Amino acid sequence: AQSVAQPEDQVNVAEGNPLTVKCTYSVSGNPYLFWYVQYPNRGLQFLLKYITGDNLVKGSYGFEAEFNKSQTSFHLKKPSALVSDSALYFCAVRDNTGRRALTFGSGTRLQVQP
Amino acid sequence: DVKVTQSSRYLVKRTGEKVFLECVQDMDHENMFWYRQDPGLGLRLIYFSYDVKMKEKGDIPEGYSVSREKKERFSLILESASTNQTSMYLCASSRDNYNEQFFGPGTRLTVL
Repeated sequence: AQSVAQPEDQVNVAEGNPLTVKCTYSVSGNPYLFWYVQYPNRGLQFLLKYITGDNLVKGSYGFEAEFNKSQTSFHLKKPSALVSDSALYFCAVRDNTGRRALTFGSGTRLQVQP
Repeated sequence: DVKVTQSSRYLVKRTGEKVFLECVQDMDHENMFWYRQDPGLGLRLIYFSYDVKMKEKGDIPEGYSVSREKKERFSLILESASTNQTSMYLCASSRDNYNEQFFGPGTRLTVL
């Protein structure tokens, strides 16, 4: 079975400060990991993914994520937050042995204050 | 750019009605998915399809069925709508199992 945990329902950060949105996962085999963002009344937009290779993955809008196998984590980061980054963020995982579909976390709302 | 379209943004139906939600993708993707999104629960997979006429149950298939007669179209059917099926429904597609999913804008369904 595969599962994802996003331990924080909401993250608050001041504009210009670094931000981190946490994600931990559980899979049977090797993980494929994804981050998505959802703006109000919109579908999800893909930010970045880890399939294999370098543990630091860079994505859209200046976001990056670090894959940590020993801690089974894939935290989303950005060096300097913008007010426009305020949105709902979802982490998702699938393993390379089982089900084809992704399993999503419950989401973390990021609020960036001016 | 990949485009995933859903037939309605907002839909209001009555309990017991049969409801059809349509999804179309224009990039010849193999995989298509239906999720429902509820506050605090994230996205939960209802059904997915990895080929025409092929389907697999997701985590919450009860009360739903699907149809994929053509590669670009994936329909979600609520056989007899109930109030607990009031939700946001999201369709997605992906080229294969290694690439990201592209999402439609969602259909907010209210069952009265």
